[in-house]
Amino acid sequence: RKEVEQDPGPFNVPEGATVAFNCTYSNSASQSFFWYRQDCRKEPKLLMSVYSSGNEDGRFTAQLNRASQYISLLIRDSKLSDSATYLCVVTLGPPSGTYKYIFGTGTRLKVLA
Amino acid sequence: NAGVTQTPKFRVLKTGQSMTLLCAQDMNHEYMYWYRQDPGMGLRLIHYSVGEGTTAKGEVPDGYNVSRLKKQNFLLGLESAAPSQTSVYFCASSYSAFGDEQYFGPGTRLTVT
Repeated sequence: RKEVEQDPGPFNVPEGATVAFNCTYSNSASQSFFWYRQDCRKEPKLLMSVYSSGNEDGRFTAQLNRASQYISLLIRDSKLSDSATYLCVVTLGPPSGTYKYIFGTGTRLKVLA
Repeated sequence: NAGVTQTPKFRVLKTGQSMTLLCAQDMNHEYMYWYRQDPGMGLRLIHYSVGEGTTAKGEVPDGYNVSRLKKQNFLLGLESAAPSQTSVYFCASSYSAFGDEQYFGPGTRLTVT
């Protein structure tokens, strides 16, 4: 089983739609969680951190479910500019083991006019 | 404030040739990382450094060497390039350990023929 798994998509949604992605992780000792955004042929950039209590930033909401070992990203009122690949990141570190920053393979979103 | 920069942006090598990729950051970050990104594989850590003069192996270190002689620079070397090293290489840096946001450079697209 992969350490971090994402549905590759693509998710094709119309402008204004709400879309949600999940990311599952296998190690229950995972410590920190992030969502990154990567535009085509560009570098990844941090979108938001995912806290135990959830995190909201404008149209974006991230949540963590430790019991079921997944994180989610909800995008409301999708814009054309939201079209990108969304990467989830899970980290591990002492005392569970050595430091690891594990990227998922990404979920591709296309917002259609 | 340039953030993280990488040179070159593109390179084509013949099998067996060598080259060095340069990464520079102006954020005074202690931690620096080299990743490769391949379709369907996600970002994989090659080597990383926790400070000037230190280096450590990541997930896929074979065929690569690194050096961190100055805090702001992290070099990735390919001594004898192979077609399997065709990839997009990203450098990243962070202020503290793996649980912190990572800032990425724009990437180097390397093709080995």
